[in-house]
Amino acid sequence: NAGVTQTPKFQVLKTGQSMTLQCAQDMNHNSMYWYRQDPGMGLRLIYYSASEGTTDKGEVPNGYNVSRLNKREFSLRLESAAPSQTSVYFCASRTGITNTGELFFGEGSRLTVL
Amino acid sequence: AQSVTQPDIHITVSEGASLELRCNYSYGATPYLFWYVQSPGQGLQLLLKYFSGDTLVQGIKGFEAEFKRSQSSFNLRKPSVHWSDAAEYFCAATFYSGGGADGLTFGKGTHLIIQP
Repeated sequence: NAGVTQTPKFQVLKTGQSMTLQCAQDMNHNSMYWYRQDPGMGLRLIYYSASEGTTDKGEVPNGYNVSRLNKREFSLRLESAAPSQTSVYFCASRTGITNTGELFFGEGSRLTVL
Repeated sequence: AQSVTQPDIHITVSEGASLELRCNYSYGATPYLFWYVQSPGQGLQLLLKYFSGDTLVQGIKGFEAEFKRSQSSFNLRKPSVHWSDAAEYFCAATFYSGGGADGLTFGKGTHLIIQP
């Protein structure tokens, strides 16, 4: 039972480098999400995709781009990484038919920007 | 603005003692409420959720939560904690808009420490 799979689990970047975090879910969910988790801040929504082909900004979208490649996959890209983007990133998904469905989370990707 | 507040950043409880974690929300309409738990180095796991009906909801791992509209609260409780309950707990909410897929709004979390 894979659920939500994120890669990579750990990454160290230098300021200005780019990278893409990958996320895939095998639960046939319509909606997918990217959150970042910082100490004392809880989880904050970066971007979400209500369905294949659509994406929307969340609370903290600056410095990020996303792609909903197909129903299964939702990637998060940092074009020019900054130290402020050091964080743990979580991908999540849910059925998306209504807002009442449970969110299923991946195990997280820990990113350090030097 | 919609918000979720967890007043306690850290809570320390002795093993076998009872637990209550507080959560307050601010919404203009009926919220849907969730409690998640995060073990160290792991993702978040749903403990329980409230949408409507009975205001006392039961979850996994022996947890329960009570919704109190008059206090805008959704506090998490457990009668007797175990060392394995040490984790970060997040309260979250969403506003039902009849559709769409807006993400949950999370509180900042409460770190639970269990003393032997």
